[in-house]
Amino acid sequence: DTGVSQDPRHKITKRGQNVTFRCDPISEHNRLYWYRQTLGQGPEFLTYFQNEAQLEKSRLLSDRFSAERPKGSFSTLEIQRTEQGDSAMYLCASSPQGKGENYGYTFGSGTRLTVV
Amino acid sequence: DQQVKQNSPSLSVQEGRISILNCDYTNSMFDYFLWYKKYPAEGPTFLISISSIKDKNEDGRFTVFLNKSAKHLSLHIVPSQPGDSAVYFCAAKSAAGAGSYQLTFGKGTKLSVIP
Repeated sequence: DTGVSQDPRHKITKRGQNVTFRCDPISEHNRLYWYRQTLGQGPEFLTYFQNEAQLEKSRLLSDRFSAERPKGSFSTLEIQRTEQGDSAMYLCASSPQGKGENYGYTFGSGTRLTVV
Repeated sequence: DQQVKQNSPSLSVQEGRISILNCDYTNSMFDYFLWYKKYPAEGPTFLISISSIKDKNEDGRFTVFLNKSAKHLSLHIVPSQPGDSAVYFCAAKSAAGAGSYQLTFGKGTKLSVIP
């Protein structure tokens, strides 16, 4: 169990550029989540995958954001035409099915995005 | 509209004493409550959870109490250790329906344990 891996750890981009982040969940976890955390706030839910199916999307996930999990393993989160308001920590988490509703998700260390 | 509130941004406690972190919620549809700990430059780490059908859950030095009628929960850490210094997030989720896979987080409380 190597935990949830996220790449890159840090990304600085110019406004208007596209960025893509990658998340590798714990291998036996079929559930994967993306969250966003801004300074002074708790993590906010963005989207949820069960295997390769994207089952829930937050209103925070505007049409500039797209997430995929093509083979039910790793996931990517792409932000097109980045804006300064997109600057945040993007967190990925995973969990196994069948462990109970109060089973804690395992979070990665996050990708910190800075849009300049 | 914040559904999970942690009204104390920070808390300082002497090593060996009890730390009590509080959390209030407004959504009566929440069925499960979880506490996470976060160190700088790391993702949140799951600590302990409680179902809404219980009023207490204990795991080592950590105990979570739930008062469903008051929509209030608290995390007790006894005894507090310097390594417990971190930001603590309260989170909640529903068991079923739309949003049942979402964790709703509070803003966090920064705990400092003074040696």
